[in-house]
Amino acid sequence: EAGVAQSPRYKIIEKRQSVAFWCNPISGHATLYWYQQILGQGPKLLIQFQNNGVVDDSQLPKDRFSAERLKGVDSTLKIQPAKLEDSAVYLCASSLASGNSYNEQFFGPGTRLTVL
Amino acid sequence: AQSVTQPDIHITVSEGASLELRCNYSYGATPYLFWYVQSPGQGLQLLLKYFSGDTLVQGIKGFEAEFKRSQSSFNLRKPSVHWSDAAEYFCAVGAPKTSYDKVIFGPGTSLSVIP
Repeated sequence: EAGVAQSPRYKIIEKRQSVAFWCNPISGHATLYWYQQILGQGPKLLIQFQNNGVVDDSQLPKDRFSAERLKGVDSTLKIQPAKLEDSAVYLCASSLASGNSYNEQFFGPGTRLTVL
Repeated sequence: AQSVTQPDIHITVSEGASLELRCNYSYGATPYLFWYVQSPGQGLQLLLKYFSGDTLVQGIKGFEAEFKRSQSSFNLRKPSVHWSDAAEYFCAVGAPKTSYDKVIFGPGTSLSVIP
């Protein structure tokens, strides 16, 4: 079974530029998550989708970050404009449809973003 | 809201020695508890999880963890560490019966293994 795919693996940009990350979840997984992991910290949830609807985006900086999952499969996370403090690893994860029982999240390898 | 702390930022052990990584959580009831491992340049992999029942849970790669309600802890242990265990370890907590499988991660403990 193929895992969660993310691209690019690395990205270097200058501040005020824009950047986009792509994630393809495991086939059949309805729930998709984007996390931000700053160096030395644990992952922080940015946004969670259930199919193509947003379940939780309470920690997404909406003035500069946006995400979409138009067809309920793959997803794109965008930052515009980027700031120095956005330097981090952006992790995508997916799980089976959420419900009354917990479903394990499977993580992709992440995209390491460096903002200069 | 739930939260989790990992008191040790970095731990160094010798290969073959035993290991214990500490995790404390805050939640009003019995939470879901997890340990993840992250090797350099890779995503997170689930080592083990606790939902209910037996408070000693076994995971992959020879790891185990014990849930202690009285101490609000979920410490990870391994009797004999291998050099390949060097990685970042994250404890995470989830809230049962809330929507959508949300988990909160701790800050992580970095493990170094001396040959």
